[in-house]
Amino acid sequence: EDQVTQSPEALRLQEGESSSLNCSYTVSGLRGLFWYRQDPGKGPEFLFTLYSAGEEKEKERLKATLTKKESFLHITAPKPEDSATYLCAVQAVTGNQFYFGTGTSLTVIP
Amino acid sequence: DAGVIQSPRHEVTEMGQEVTLRCKPISGHNSLFWYRQTMMRGLELLIYFNNNVPIDDSGMPEDRFSAKMPNASFSTLKIQPSEPRDSAVYFCASTLESTGGVAAFFGQGTRLTVV
Repeated sequence: EDQVTQSPEALRLQEGESSSLNCSYTVSGLRGLFWYRQDPGKGPEFLFTLYSAGEEKEKERLKATLTKKESFLHITAPKPEDSATYLCAVQAVTGNQFYFGTGTSLTVIP
Repeated sequence: DAGVIQSPRHEVTEMGQEVTLRCKPISGHNSLFWYRQTMMRGLELLIYFNNNVPIDDSGMPEDRFSAKMPNASFSTLKIQPSEPRDSAVYFCASTLESTGGVAAFFGQGTRLTVV
């Protein structure tokens, strides 16, 4: 069964304090791994797609990496505006469904 | 280009009433998903359509829930009769199905409260 587990559930950082969010996955052949950001009262907003182990993607203070069993979202020198819930999803080669983890709620304190 | 459009944004209804949620996917996308989000269970996939045909409805909680996609630009999720435990945020998402894996794009959601 395809599964996605995210940790930690919640993370509080001081502004400028770098850290990483983890997404562990089990899937019968990975078609893609996706990171989203969700702000309160809004729908998830797409950030990155990763396809194969060793791949990395960057956008501003965020960098996503992928291994065969997990993905990390590294946040470098975060700012308060990076506060949000970050969601990870996987898509298997056997179907088109996206399976989501329960997310990491990030709070960046000024 | 407009994103995924959902309506209404908020719905408050009494237990036992019928509720219909609406979604307009991104033009050109051929796959559509309905998700339900709660604090306890996160984002749960309810049903997935490809080319207007339901492919996987294993996530639909029970017979009170039904979904239709009469054409490529419109889908509905209906709950009849509604119950308080159906209170959640319902999201619609769409994508262009590809062997390479293309991200799904989400609407702003409908917050449903059943009292």
